[in-house]
Amino acid sequence: QVRLQESGPGLVKPSETLSLTCTVSGGSISGHYWGWLRQPPGKRLQYIGDIYFGADRDYYPFINNRLAISVDTSKNQVSLRLNSVTTADTALYYCARWRGDILADWGRGILVTVSS
Amino acid sequence: DIVITQSPDSLAVSLGERATITCKSSQSVLHNSNKHHYLSWYQHKPGQPPRLLIYWASTRESGVPDRFSGSASGTDFTLTISSLQAEDVAIYFCLQHISAPYTFGQGTKLEIK
Repeated sequence: QVRLQESGPGLVKPSETLSLTCTVSGGSISGHYWGWLRQPPGKRLQYIGDIYFGADRDYYPFINNRLAISVDTSKNQVSLRLNSVTTADTALYYCARWRGDILADWGRGILVTVSS
Repeated sequence: DIVITQSPDSLAVSLGERATITCKSSQSVLHNSNKHHYLSWYQHKPGQPPRLLIYWASTRESGVPDRFSGSASGTDFTLTISSLQAEDVAIYFCLQHISAPYTFGQGTKLEIK
């Protein structure tokens, strides 16, 4: 069974770059779309972007071209970089795997706080 | 954007009783080609990854107990737990993924009465 584990800093300063990694075990990166989601405190989940073999797309309007998603097939990892963060980017961040057109598998999530 | 309105925000049900959660979509999430509703249901327990329960509005994920079922009527979607078990205490939420940005219901906290 595939397992996804998010990792990265729990605290990022405003205007800096948030970098997270999702390490995948029990399955291959190849052949799947991989998504990133987040849940700000007290708000509903937001789908922020995904990737399939290097073609990333960001969907959430407030992301505003600040997002980059990449994959490293040699490490079986999916990475997220979010530039110019503000306090509004404070959230629990999840990576997830699409199984065809079903969002099937999630990580446990990682809490990222943006604060000086 | 498609807005998903989920209700109720919280729900307390006695063990063995039925629990019903609904999501209403502001637009159709029916895929024209395959006629599936692109609406999924998830269960989220603290400290665990969210778990897929139902996809295409009514298809139960492998390994999910058959007391969980989903149904659709137009833009209204229902998750039903036919006989609540103690292990079903969790937050439940729905997701529409017919069109970007994919959007979620706000979640329902299910507890034992």
